[in-house]
Amino acid sequence: EAQVTQNPRYLITVTGKKLTVTCSQNMNHEYMSWYRQDPGLGLRQIYYSMNVEVTDKGDVPEGYKVSRKEKRNFPLILESPSPNQTSLYFCASSFLGQGRGDIQYFGAGTRLSVL
Amino acid sequence: AQSVTQLDSHVSVSEGTPVLLRCNYSSSYSPSLFWYVQHPNKGLQLLLKYTSAATLVKGINGFEAEFKKSETSFHLTKPSAHMSDAAEYFCVYPGAGSYQLTFGKGTKLSVIP
Repeated sequence: EAQVTQNPRYLITVTGKKLTVTCSQNMNHEYMSWYRQDPGLGLRQIYYSMNVEVTDKGDVPEGYKVSRKEKRNFPLILESPSPNQTSLYFCASSFLGQGRGDIQYFGAGTRLSVL
Repeated sequence: AQSVTQLDSHVSVSEGTPVLLRCNYSSSYSPSLFWYVQHPNKGLQLLLKYTSAATLVKGINGFEAEFKKSETSFHLTKPSAHMSDAAEYFCVYPGAGSYQLTFGKGTKLSVIP
């Protein structure tokens, strides 16, 4: 089954404790991205990647890191989480064959609380 | 800057009545545009996609959207709402010249029995 898998689904942590949210897709998609969703703000793009070792900042990259060492994986790293990073996070992937307008496939989301 | 604006944060309709969710875009050319739906506690799912092949786009679950360049709009409609349509809907614009995606702030649709 084609899917984007995020782990964990729920995470509670404390300020300053490094964490990683994993994202994996099995569709051989070139494009992967991370979003955060906050009430009243919709989804905002954090980082995206167009292929292995190619990443770029989205609208809200501060406080986040990403890496793309393998095509299928795109982990989101919070080196020193803060309470304002409490949010619902989504990973998504798509082909690049039709350009930037291709269909995004979303993971089920990771709900993060930073105390 | 190019963007999308969803004109209503919340829309409430009775079951069986028409649905209209409004989206305006800001762009100097005819862009690609998407509508995605998010059901409670779920990820986002594509409803439909406009890529300039046809101005009236049909999507899943009876939804459709019409691209109107003169009005810079891409409103989502459905003739008859069903209880299962209750969800949040996002208008999405893939920005020109980059691979960033811009989401509207979302419209929460409530369907009253």
